Amino acid sequence: DVKVTQSSRYLVKRTGEKVFLECVQDMDHENMFWYRQDPGLGLRLIYFSYDVKMKEKGDIPEGYSVSREKKERFSLILESASTNQTSMYLCASISSDVGGYTFGSGTRLTVV
Amino acid sequence: GEDVEQSLFLSVREGDSSVINCTYTDSSSTYLYWYKQEPGAGLQLLTYIFSNMDMKQDQRLTVLLNKKDKHLSLRIADTQTGDSAIYFCADGLEGGYNKLIFGAGTRLAVHP
Repeated sequence: DVKVTQSSRYLVKRTGEKVFLECVQDMDHENMFWYRQDPGLGLRLIYFSYDVKMKEKGDIPEGYSVSREKKERFSLILESASTNQTSMYLCASISSDVGGYTFGSGTRLTVV
Repeated sequence: GEDVEQSLFLSVREGDSSVINCTYTDSSSTYLYWYKQEPGAGLQLLTYIFSNMDMKQDQRLTVLLNKKDKHLSLRIADTQTGDSAIYFCADGLEGGYNKLIFGAGTRLAVHP
């Protein structure tokens, strides 16, 4: 089975800190995605990447950046964390020919 | 832009059928998906349907697609307490990058 691993399940950071969320997949997939999940809002796409060093903005990229130096790793960066970035962050990669994603377990980030 | 809508809550008695509904706006969808999220976990692909199909059955799950009305439903027969979760409908957009648009999720509560 394809595995998508997010390095941290829970993180607590202070306002203004630079935060790195890491995601690794083990199936050589080109496409990887970062979403944030908030109650009542569902999943909103922050950034995605379709190849090494390639990235595209999603629907809510403000305050975030990403890095894809290797195919298996896609990092989400909060340049200066703010309290409104407290959320669950989900990473995903394409899992099959029908296009369904495989998700990581998520990182619950709290910014205080 | 593209949108996917779902009701937020559904409560059913154990053993009854559950029907979770979803509407979408994008008419070029190739696939539509249902994901399940258990507490504290990432999303898991439950089932999907190709856009030229009307129905797909997979054990206790039945997916119905009305393409004319852009309406998708997921029926769970003989609902069990283990089915308690959040269910997300997702629309697979035609075009590059395999982007999915997610609904806000329906929280299914199963009670004795």
